[in-house]
Amino acid sequence: DQQVKQNSPSLSVQEGRISILNCDYTNSMFDYFLWYKKYPAEGPTFLISISSIKDKNEDGRFTVFLNKSAKHLSLHIVPSQPGDSAVYFCAASDRNTGKLIFGQGTTLQVKP
Amino acid sequence: DTGVSQNPRHKITKRGQNVTFRCDPISEHNRLYWYRQTLGQGPEFLTYFQNEAQLEKSRLLSDRFSAERPKGSFSTLEIQRTEQGDSAMYLCASSLVHTDTQYFGPGTRLTVL
Repeated sequence: DQQVKQNSPSLSVQEGRISILNCDYTNSMFDYFLWYKKYPAEGPTFLISISSIKDKNEDGRFTVFLNKSAKHLSLHIVPSQPGDSAVYFCAASDRNTGKLIFGQGTTLQVKP
Repeated sequence: DTGVSQNPRHKITKRGQNVTFRCDPISEHNRLYWYRQTLGQGPEFLTYFQNEAQLEKSRLLSDRFSAERPKGSFSTLEIQRTEQGDSAMYLCASSLVHTDTQYFGPGTRLTVL
């Protein structure tokens, strides 16, 4: 069973506009969520995280929103830049073990 | 460079051969995780260590897979009698015990012919 889902395999946006990447989860025991960015042939790079006690966390151009009742989180990138083009993974953490459960990823393309 | 390192970066082997990968975590990180990623999927958890103790193994980790972290520092992942289905990117990550952010290495790309 896919406990973390990213239903959009790809997203294309114009440079300077907002990119919104979505993620849904099913396990209410998850209490920490992370977004990673991945370029081909490299390991995932940590971007931003959010604890389940918060509903928003912001870091520069990146903001993550958490809606616990809907079991949904989203990553907003404003303004989008061509260098943001990559695969973005949503992950949920079980604090008891620390292991991460990843979504399938969304490929973001930012066009100049 | 004080990040997570993995060696080798690429490994091509013939079916039936044994392979071993190494991961050097960020120093002072007590937790070390192994994940596997196949094309079009997110990383999948394989196993993790707290210091030298292996605390959990995924059911994805068949008997042909073994991982060690003998001194609580670097870790090795060995695959015996490799199969074509083992072809994937093997990722290592580390974190402090009481924090949740895992930092990943560049991965080892395994190709089994």
